[in-house]
Amino acid sequence: NAGVTQTPKFRILKIGQSMTLQCAQDMNHNYMYWYRQDPGMGLKLIYYSVGAGITDKGEVPNGYNVSRSTTEDFPLRLELAAPSQTSVYFCASSYGGGLEETQYFGPGTRLLVL
Amino acid sequence: RKEVEQDPGPFNVPEGATVAFNCTYSNSASQSFFWYRQDCRKEPKLLMSVYSSGNEDGRFTAQLNRASQYISLLIRDSKLSDSATYLCVVNFNTNAGKSTFGDGTTLTVKP
Repeated sequence: NAGVTQTPKFRILKIGQSMTLQCAQDMNHNYMYWYRQDPGMGLKLIYYSVGAGITDKGEVPNGYNVSRSTTEDFPLRLELAAPSQTSVYFCASSYGGGLEETQYFGPGTRLLVL
Repeated sequence: RKEVEQDPGPFNVPEGATVAFNCTYSNSASQSFFWYRQDCRKEPKLLMSVYSSGNEDGRFTAQLNRASQYISLLIRDSKLSDSATYLCVVNFNTNAGKSTFGDGTTLTVKP
């Protein structure tokens, strides 16, 4: 199993550009998450999904959109990139959403907006 | 006040030392607790869950104090490979997406 994979690893965007961060998992997990991590900070939840076709906002959703058309894929769309979106983005998945569920993280995408 | 607070450190300790980190949480309805480890420029990985009775995994011991609303992580006989950032994670809702991460405590173990 590859686990959770993310592409690209690193990207530089100009202000106002758009891009899609890709995330895929091959563990047949129902729940998937997008987080951002700013330097020296913990992870902030952007969006999450409890299954194909179902998504919901997290703590910091503004400026982002998601879709979940399949169990495996959970892309994150940035529209009109801003310098405040410079961060490391982690995708994660878990089998369920229970209190004791372990989240498995992808390697992250480092995004720089200039 | 942050929902989950950790001493950012850094903690610089020699090999073989014992080191302890605390993490406080503000929501008394918090129901499950975890320690994740994050190596430099890598993704977080689960280190251990924290149970009310306390739990141990080799050199690592995690404890929960619900009355004072904190969890702790004790590392005995520190190794160079223990150098990392340790993230405290608290879940206070049965719905997905309700994990709250602390900002992490950085540990550097030196020879």
